[in-house]
Amino acid sequence: QSVLTQPPSVSGAPGQRVTISCTGSSSNIGAGYDVHWYQQLPGTAPKLLIYGNSNRPSGVPDRFSGSRSGTSASLAITGLQAEDEADYYCHSYDSSLSGVFGGGTKLTVL
Amino acid sequence: QLQLQESGPGLVKPSETLSLTCTVSGGSISSSTYYWAWIRQPPGKGLEWIGSIYYSGSTYYNPSLKSRVTISVDTSKNQFSLKLSSVTAADTAVYYCARLGRVVFAQADYWGQGTLVTVSS
Repeated sequence: QSVLTQPPSVSGAPGQRVTISCTGSSSNIGAGYDVHWYQQLPGTAPKLLIYGNSNRPSGVPDRFSGSRSGTSASLAITGLQAEDEADYYCHSYDSSLSGVFGGGTKLTVL
Repeated sequence: QLQLQESGPGLVKPSETLSLTCTVSGGSISSSTYYWAWIRQPPGKGLEWIGSIYYSGSTYYNPSLKSRVTISVDTSKNQFSLKLSSVTAADTAVYYCARLGRVVFAQADYWGQGTLVTVSS
């Protein structure tokens, strides 16, 4: 059971917009800790996609965006492409300054 | 370009101690003010935070693993290490080392490729 809750799967057709939610509590996201998002392709290490709730590292397309509100955060992907098919994880911290992850969401591009 | 590489035994017996090292290249652990982390992923499952360490040696552990985990840093070798004691089959996972940002609650922006550790007799 992960500390942060994500939907196990989402799907969308090429060109569409999908969102992935990440729900925490008052001891992590709700306490003001930033949320970060990672993309993991099969057999590879996770790759940083969004940091500090809504910032994109250099090289990440602007089709990816993030937001945080209250005890939740979300990742939005617009203009869905086949190459976006992957697992996505949200990441934050709790009051012990230990990291916490969501259980991961598998994105399927139809 | 910063690179991280995990190393250590791929097979550990139950009740023994798992030991892994992360070697950092392309940057110095001691001259920067970053945090460094260990994260694991059981086969077919999600990511789990193990703990993090500051270059000065301050550590922050996952409360659920704290009694069994020790993370240390060796600035002379540009490495940081993980020890996990009393392992069971539930500790079988791909273990990743990663660099965090300059605050303890930062993102993991550089990752090692990961190393699979299997706990089995």
